[in-house]
Amino acid sequence: NAGVTQTPKFQVLKTGQSMTLQCAQDMNHEYMSWYRQDPGMGLRLIHYSVGAGITDQGEVPNGYNVSRSTTEDFPLRLLSAAPSQTSVYFCASSYSRRGSTLFPEAFFGQGTRLTVV
Amino acid sequence: AQSVTQLDSQVPVFEEAPVELRCNYSSSVSVYLFWYVQYPNQGLQLLLKYLSGSTLVKGINGFEAEFNKSQTSFHLRKPSVHISDTAEYFCAVRISGGSYIPTFGRGTSLIVHP
Repeated sequence: NAGVTQTPKFQVLKTGQSMTLQCAQDMNHEYMSWYRQDPGMGLRLIHYSVGAGITDQGEVPNGYNVSRSTTEDFPLRLLSAAPSQTSVYFCASSYSRRGSTLFPEAFFGQGTRLTVV
Repeated sequence: AQSVTQLDSQVPVFEEAPVELRCNYSSSVSVYLFWYVQYPNQGLQLLLKYLSGSTLVKGINGFEAEFNKSQTSFHLRKPSVHISDTAEYFCAVRISGGSYIPTFGRGTSLIVHP
């Protein structure tokens, strides 16, 4: 049982490049989400998904795309990287019945540290 | 919209002393409240949560928090800290029955000295 796995752990991109941050969980969780963490800012929600085929925007979605074709995977795509996207990115998952907001992000990955130069 | 204020950015304390990390929130509707811990170079780990019921919530690693609706607070406490409790602690709030989008505080760095 690996929990939430994020790859890569570190990445340096040039402005304008695209890339995909991978997130996978093996707990059969319906709910998955992506956050970015910036110094002194806490965590901010980028996108989330309440189940396969369903995604929605969080607080800071601009510049990021997501898809959820399977329960296990929730990749985050940066279409054209900008220096403002330099951050630490966390993927999280939890058990959640559709339509219920009871359960918070219970499991986090170890993060991807992204630098855009 | 909800908001979260963690009143202290840094809390230094000696080992075996008690500690309280403060969290205040603002919301016009009922909320769920959470505390997370983040060790260096790690993701966040859920310490405890308040969803409903008893206002005193016990979590992992000997931490507890008390929900105070009149003061809109959810302070985190531990009666005796250990060196290994040194970490960043985040308070978070989510509207009950509403949006999935939570709001996190900016974090409090707990530094335990020997």
